[in-house]
Amino acid sequence: KAGVTQTPRYLIKTRGQQVTLSCSPISGHRSVSWYQQTPGQGLQFLFEYFSETQRNKGNFPGRFSGRQFSNSRSEMNVSTLELGDSALYLCASSLVEYQETQYFGPGTRLLVL
Amino acid sequence: GEDVEQSLFLSVREGDSSVINCTYTDSSSTYLYWYKQEPGAGLQLLTYIFSNMDMKQDQRLTVLLNKKDKHLSLRIADTQTGDSAIYFCAEFLRGGGNKLTFGTGTQLKVEL
Repeated sequence: KAGVTQTPRYLIKTRGQQVTLSCSPISGHRSVSWYQQTPGQGLQFLFEYFSETQRNKGNFPGRFSGRQFSNSRSEMNVSTLELGDSALYLCASSLVEYQETQYFGPGTRLLVL
Repeated sequence: GEDVEQSLFLSVREGDSSVINCTYTDSSSTYLYWYKQEPGAGLQLLTYIFSNMDMKQDQRLTVLLNKKDKHLSLRIADTQTGDSAIYFCAEFLRGGGNKLTFGTGTQLKVEL
């Protein structure tokens, strides 16, 4: 069974631009969560989607948004990029909502110049 | 509160055992996890333990949970150079959504 896939793997943007990251969960998994990893703040929860609905949201500004499609694939969007948004963005999938075991993808490394 | 703490670095010699420690503050945690992250990679789930267990063994990995002290440890037997990575502990709180709260990570360096 293929693991969690994320595209693109690397991305360079400039301040003020917007970016969309994509995540395909493990086949059959219906819950997708997003995390941001930075050297200063560590791993922080962004949001979780299940059945195309956002179920939980972390403490991030409204510039960070996401969505989930009927095939469980998810995208996250960051608008008006800031230098501090440079990070590794990790997607995790689990079988169902509130399912304890989450499997992570390789991440998308975003650099904002 | 949700604070998970780990020591930053650990250095061991190849063949020795490694013990990585983690403390957490939320007694409502239901599951506790250990993830491994190699350079430039995502997080690999190593093992996890349910909060009503004291110990779990999985090949070279042994997880110990002291719920009274809110202390979690990961012991890696016969540590190899391929074990060099950053290790994160994480807690899952039922009722807090499907969210993992991660520790700061421990960088394990295995020397020959």
